[in-house]
Amino acid sequence: KAGVTQTPRYLIKTRGQQVTLSCSPISGHRSVSWYQQTPGQGLQFLFEYFSETQRNKGNFPGRFSGRQFSNSRSEMNVSTLELGDSALYLCASSLSHRDEQFFGPGTRLTVL
Amino acid sequence: GENVEQHPSTLSVQEGDSAVIKCTYSDSASNYFPWYKQELGKRPQLIIDIRSNVGEKKDQRIAVTLNKTAKHFSLHITETQPEDSAVYFCAASRGGGGADGLTFGKGTHLIIQP
Repeated sequence: KAGVTQTPRYLIKTRGQQVTLSCSPISGHRSVSWYQQTPGQGLQFLFEYFSETQRNKGNFPGRFSGRQFSNSRSEMNVSTLELGDSALYLCASSLSHRDEQFFGPGTRLTVL
Repeated sequence: GENVEQHPSTLSVQEGDSAVIKCTYSDSASNYFPWYKQELGKRPQLIIDIRSNVGEKKDQRIAVTLNKTAKHFSLHITETQPEDSAVYFCAASRGGGGADGLTFGKGTHLIIQP
């Protein structure tokens, strides 16, 4: 079974721009969660989607948003980028909210 | 919300010795505790997890223990090998699995000395 995939793997943007990241879960998995990883703050939960609905959201500003499609693929969007948004963005998929999560390779976002 | 503290931040052990990493959590409703291993430049990989109805779980050289009363859980690695060198993260959630939002510890950099 193919693992979680994320595109693009690397991205460079400038302040004020917006960005969209994509995540394809493991086949059959219906839950997708997003995390931000930085050296200072570690791994922080952004939000979780299940069956196209956002079920949970972490403590991030409204500039961070996401969605999930009927095939379980998910996208996250960050608008009005700030330097502090530079991070590794990881998505993780699971069969349902009660199952273990498997991470994708991440998208490395650099904001200049 | 949940808060997970992880210690130590760096752990250096001789190859063949055991390593123990400890975590405490604050939310008594948390019921799922996974451990992830992240090698440099790679994705976090689930190595073992435990649910609140179990006190201990083993998988070959790796074991996890959970003390619900004290709200702490630990990762034990025996007979350490060079490939065990990585950053290890503990996490907690109240959803029974991970998709209700995992709260992670800050990580432990495990160094295996030859």
